[in-house]
Amino acid sequence: RKEVEQDPGPFNVPEGATVAFNCTYSNSASQSFFWYRQDCRKEPKLLMSVYSSGNEDGRFTAQLNRASQYISLLIRDSKLSDSATYLCVVSLGSGYNKLIFGAGTRLAVHP
Amino acid sequence: SAVISQKPSRDICQRGTSLTIQCQVDSQVTMMFWYRQQPGQSLTLIATANQGSEATYESGFVIDKFPISRPNLTFSTLTVSNMSPEDSSIYLCSVGSSSKFYEQYFGPGTRLTVT
Repeated sequence: RKEVEQDPGPFNVPEGATVAFNCTYSNSASQSFFWYRQDCRKEPKLLMSVYSSGNEDGRFTAQLNRASQYISLLIRDSKLSDSATYLCVVSLGSGYNKLIFGAGTRLAVHP
Repeated sequence: SAVISQKPSRDICQRGTSLTIQCQVDSQVTMMFWYRQQPGQSLTLIATANQGSEATYESGFVIDKFPISRPNLTFSTLTVSNMSPEDSSIYLCSVGSSSKFYEQYFGPGTRLTVT
């Protein structure tokens, strides 16, 4: 079983749609959770950290369910510029800082 | 977040040769990391570059193949030694955030092709 698993994608959605990505992780000792965005031939950029209480940043909402070891990202009112690969990332924390990346889910927003 | 640069941005190398990749940060950072992203794959951590001590390598990566230097708090190098076509990848350095300990920010990457 992979340490971090994501929806296979790709997701093809029209502008304005709401899209949700899911992610599960296998290590219950994981402490920190993130969503990164990676554009084609670019480096990953941190989109948002995910907190236990859930958090929102504009059109983006992230949720964490520790009991189910499940992370989600919701994008509302999709824009063409949201087209990218979204990476679910987990860390054991505790000072070690190793990031474990999911394979990514590709999103294509069309007019 | 810190500004991170990498050199070279890309290179095409012959098998059996070595390439050293540089990572420069515009501020002092405690932790620097080196990742590999093979074609069509996600990122895999190669090693953590510790200032003043040996790098810590992940399973599957060894110092003889990927020697790392970390001479100060703003700079690190990764060497890919005795290259083969299987080493063709993007190599990225990252740094830990100074304010949010577990967040990492990535350099632009070095695209390596081995022929």
